[in-house]
Amino acid sequence: GAVVSQHPSRVICKSGTSVKIECRSLDFQATTMFWYRQFPKQSLMLMATSNEGSKATYEQGVEKDKFLINHASLTLSTLTVTSAHPEDSSFYICSAGQGGDFTQYFGPGTRLTVL
Amino acid sequence: AQKVTQAQTEISVVEKEDVTLDCVYETRDTTYYLFWYKQPPSGELVFLIRRNSFDEQNEISGRYSWNFQKSTSSFNFTITASQVVDSAVYFCALILQGAQKLVFGQGTRLTINP
Repeated sequence: GAVVSQHPSRVICKSGTSVKIECRSLDFQATTMFWYRQFPKQSLMLMATSNEGSKATYEQGVEKDKFLINHASLTLSTLTVTSAHPEDSSFYICSAGQGGDFTQYFGPGTRLTVL
Repeated sequence: AQKVTQAQTEISVVEKEDVTLDCVYETRDTTYYLFWYKQPPSGELVFLIRRNSFDEQNEISGRYSWNFQKSTSSFNFTITASQVVDSAVYFCALILQGAQKLVFGQGTRLTINP
């Protein structure tokens, strides 16, 4: 149980294009989903917290107009990197929580490369 | 503020050796949860264990064991008879009761050499 999927696993795009990453909880309903960014050999950096049906809460320093988050259902959250630039290249990971036990279950991650 | 420290950045051992990964946390809250996650080279974070602050019993799961000591604010993770497949980055994390954000340590990169 508690499986989270992400799609795509890897994406390469040209500078200026937008990229959408999907995060799905496959076998449970996730009232809250989280988006992280991870640079090589570093820990995870929380970008935003996404609650179903409401606006995402962004961490300080994360541009909400750059990283659009939508959590339209209890099993799906999307992150759209708008007008991507090479500095946006990174490993993006989502996680989902079931609620009461505070455990976050992570997706397999999406490696974004912006040329 | 909460903080998690994993002082060991990298550890390298030979297969079959036992290895302990240290985790020290800081919080003034009395109710919190501690976690260990494994991140293999493929990238996904795999949940290993959750511990609440009121349960100091040590836990063993196969070759894995965890030692939680509130007196030293530590939640250490030991792998006995290590195997090459244990090679990964291991993260310790903390969350407060009622909070949503996980506070991660910097991770320990464990390499098990054949």
